[in-house]
Amino acid sequence: DADVTQTPRNRITKTGKRIMLECSQTKGHDRMYWYRQDPGLGLRLIYYSFDVKDINKGEISDGYSVSRQAQAKFSLSLESAIPNQTALYFCATSDSRGRGRRYEQYFGPGTRLTVT
Amino acid sequence: GESVGLHLPTLSVQEGDNSIINCAYSNSASDYFIWYKQESGKGPQFIIDIRSNMDKRQGQRVTVLLNKTVKHLSLQIAATQPGDSAVYFCADLRNNAGNMLTFGGGTRLMVKP
Repeated sequence: DADVTQTPRNRITKTGKRIMLECSQTKGHDRMYWYRQDPGLGLRLIYYSFDVKDINKGEISDGYSVSRQAQAKFSLSLESAIPNQTALYFCATSDSRGRGRRYEQYFGPGTRLTVT
Repeated sequence: GESVGLHLPTLSVQEGDNSIINCAYSNSASDYFIWYKQESGKGPQFIIDIRSNMDKRQGQRVTVLLNKTVKHLSLQIAATQPGDSAVYFCADLRNNAGNMLTFGGGTRLMVKP
């Protein structure tokens, strides 16, 4: 969905490096999410934010941190990357204010991260 | 533990046939379900949703069936086309879990010409 963009789309980094993945949205949604996808494990929630001043840990937050710089921007950081953080990372947004399908999440195209 | 899961990781169907993708859930507090389609190299996209007060909902070539008695959800795709090849996820919403979606592991649908 072009309304949710992620940068970079692909990244290869070395163990111990700090990495930041960025997400921007033009949908005007208040809620944003970061997921990790591994083969056979579906999508697992890392962090989520219901508004600029709200940050919540998800299922697998250890080793990650986030920043909600503005309503439209939500970045994910790996403080010291390790090989088992190699995965596909998705950002998503949703609108809690009742426009359209209230609980639907709109996903970005994903970032493929490889930690060597 | 409670989970949303799928019975089969891969489903192969002939073009033109109907496809049925299944999903089991275990949380009786789940009251809303979504099916997503993920094509290669893309993020998941919404297909269809259903609330727990319904047992069937139809869209364009897709139908979702919900059986609350056995906690089972299915996605039926009519006249499957090559463009339907993708990974399909079900997700459930639990009002007692902060209105968060929980995703299943996904089923890969492969359409044979």
